[in-house]
Amino acid sequence: AQSVTQPDIHITVSEGASLELRCNYSYGATPYLFWYVQSPGQGLQLLLKYFSGDTLVQGIKGFEAEFKRSQSSFNLRKPSVHWSDAAEYFCAVEGGSEKLVFGKGTKLTVNP
Amino acid sequence: GAVVSQHPSWVICKSGTSVKIECRSLDFQATTMFWYRQFPKQSLMLMATSNEGSKATYEQGVEKDKFLINHASLTLSTLTVTSAHPEDSSFYICSASLTGKGVLSDEQFFGPGTRLTVL
Repeated sequence: AQSVTQPDIHITVSEGASLELRCNYSYGATPYLFWYVQSPGQGLQLLLKYFSGDTLVQGIKGFEAEFKRSQSSFNLRKPSVHWSDAAEYFCAVEGGSEKLVFGKGTKLTVNP
Repeated sequence: GAVVSQHPSWVICKSGTSVKIECRSLDFQATTMFWYRQFPKQSLMLMATSNEGSKATYEQGVEKDKFLINHASLTLSTLTVTSAHPEDSSFYICSASLTGKGVLSDEQFFGPGTRLTVL
C-alpha cells in the first residue's frame, strides 16, 4: 500500500533562512505527489503537485519541490522563509482511485 | 481560491450522544465532498466520499452506521457521529471538489476542521 513518511515532526528556522522539509513515499509505480500547507484555523491549501515531466516543481508562495525517484523523495524547499510561513505542512501521494494518502505532517516554527 | 467552511469548529459532547458536523462550499458547487479524520500526531485518513444525491462510499474499516453522511445539496454535506464515545474524539476535516473526478483531475479544497471531544 502507498504510504508517506515525513521524518521531521517539528522544524524551527529563523526568518530569512532557507527551508527544506523532507518527504519520502512508498509506491510501486510512478507516484503523483502533493504538498499542502495548513495555517491555524485554515483549511489545507495546495502548494504544489508533481504528476510527470520536470522533476523540479514550482508552487505558490515561493515554494518548490524536487522529485527524486532514486531516493523516493519529494522534499519541499524555500530559499528564504517568512514569518507567515509558520504552519503545518503535509506531503501526500495519490493512493489509487484518485484518493490522497497523507503523511503525518511537519510543523514549522519561524523565529524572528 | 474556493472556500470551504465547517461548523462547528469545535464541539464537546457527552458519551452516547450524537453530533452533527456541517461542511459547506461557500463559493462553488461541489459535486463531491470528502471526510477525513485526524488523530493527534497522525496523518489525515479518508473516511468516506460523498456525492450529492447519492449514498456515501465509506473506506474500509469505517462504520457507516456510526458515521452518517448526508450530501443533500451541492453546497452542503453533513457528518453525524452517532452514539459518540471517547474513542471518537478526533479532528474531522472535510474537503470538496468541483467535478468529483478525483485528485488528479480536480483540486480538493479543504475546510478548517472540527475538533470533537467526547467526554
